[in-house]
Amino acid sequence: KQEVTQIPAALSVPEGENLVLNCSFTDSAIYNLQWFRQDPGKGLTSLLLIQSSQREQTSGRLNASLDKSSGRSTLYIAASQPGDSATYLCAVRPSNSGYALNFGKGTSLLVTP
Amino acid sequence: GAVVSQHPSRVICKSGTSVKIECRSLDFQATTMFWYRQFPKQSLMLMATSNEGSKATYEQGVEKDKFLINHASLTLSTLTVTSAHPEDSSFYICSVSQGTEAFFGQGTRLTVV
Repeated sequence: KQEVTQIPAALSVPEGENLVLNCSFTDSAIYNLQWFRQDPGKGLTSLLLIQSSQREQTSGRLNASLDKSSGRSTLYIAASQPGDSATYLCAVRPSNSGYALNFGKGTSLLVTP
Repeated sequence: GAVVSQHPSRVICKSGTSVKIECRSLDFQATTMFWYRQFPKQSLMLMATSNEGSKATYEQGVEKDKFLINHASLTLSTLTVTSAHPEDSSFYICSVSQGTEAFFGQGTRLTVV
């Protein structure tokens, strides 16, 4: 069974810092990997989607990388802002699962002014 | 991306009663929708796959008679928690996949008292 782990579980940084969130998965047979943002008590907002054949994706201040063979992905946030405070979730779509996703527990990020 | 609307966002019910949660795909016809559950400090876990016009597929350990799923149209899936108990209190969220990307509703916080 695919296991997804996110490190760290929580992170607090001052505004303006660049930061990296880590995600690892146990089975490299994935179709894609998706990073989400979840605000307290809210739904999930899709941030970046990386197909298994891709190495990275960028959107604004966000950059996500994927190393499928080693089972790792990172989400890089540049010049962090207080509005970035949220929980960031990593999810993989296994190759044989249809469209269902396996999620990590998330990294809770706090960016202080 | 696909817009998914979930209702209600919060519900409190008495133990033993039933609660219905609606998930609508507003701009996309979804033959398949997914229902996840998230307990505090835990990752989202897939409960069931809702298939338009046919029976839902439940994950191991999820009671199909307790969590009734109906996917009567290409834009609406409902999850009914029957005879709710306090241990059913959780965050329930639905998802659709458009292409290879997953999109989520706002989620429903269910509290059973």
